[in-house]
Amino acid sequence: GAGVSQSPRYKVAKRGQDVALRCDPISGHVSLFWYQQALGQGPEFLTYFQNEAQLDKSGLPSDRFFAERPEGSVSTLKIQRTQQEDSAVYLCASSFDKISYEQYFGPGTRLTVT
Amino acid sequence: DAKTTQPTSMDCAEGRAANLPCNHSTISGNEYVYWYRQIHSQGPQYIIHGLKNNETNEMASLIITEDRKSSTLILPHATLRDTAVYYCIVRDGYSGGGADGLTFGKGTHLIIQP
Repeated sequence: GAGVSQSPRYKVAKRGQDVALRCDPISGHVSLFWYQQALGQGPEFLTYFQNEAQLDKSGLPSDRFFAERPEGSVSTLKIQRTQQEDSAVYLCASSFDKISYEQYFGPGTRLTVT
Repeated sequence: DAKTTQPTSMDCAEGRAANLPCNHSTISGNEYVYWYRQIHSQGPQYIIHGLKNNETNEMASLIITEDRKSSTLILPHATLRDTAVYYCIVRDGYSGGGADGLTFGKGTHLIIQP
């Protein structure tokens, strides 16, 4: 079946622009995660949703980062007033429910801020 | 506050078994050991997880020492497609698994040589 999809796959933004990154999780998956992966580093946790509820946003690096999942399926990660240090791959993952051990990752969105 | 220590890189000949070590000396009783891998330009992929018993699935085997302070991921017959970064992750199982974000380190870059 279809896996986790993300769009766009690549995004170039000028410093100061706002961007929105989309994640389509596997249908029926309750849990959704966002991660940020800088070049040469492992992914770092940003935020977690259970259905439409954002239960953990402890990893969001600043108040310029905002995530939502209004209907408990598709999620959007928004970054306002992008900075060069926001350049990274943004990964989305979903899992069937909160007791599932496996997270399924999308291919990521590579954001480059110039 | 990395909970795991892995070698930065390893080489393995195609067709041989690849043995990837991981140290997790501060692991607590309810924490599981997970392995994920990330092939270039893709999202991470779940491989296997375990608590204290050795585990095997169609992808790999996981050997956990009796004191649980270290583990080894074994790919029995490595192929070129197994070239990837392999992440060893320690994760609290109390929450049920899916509710928490994963804490990746830098992982081991495994290169399979033809």
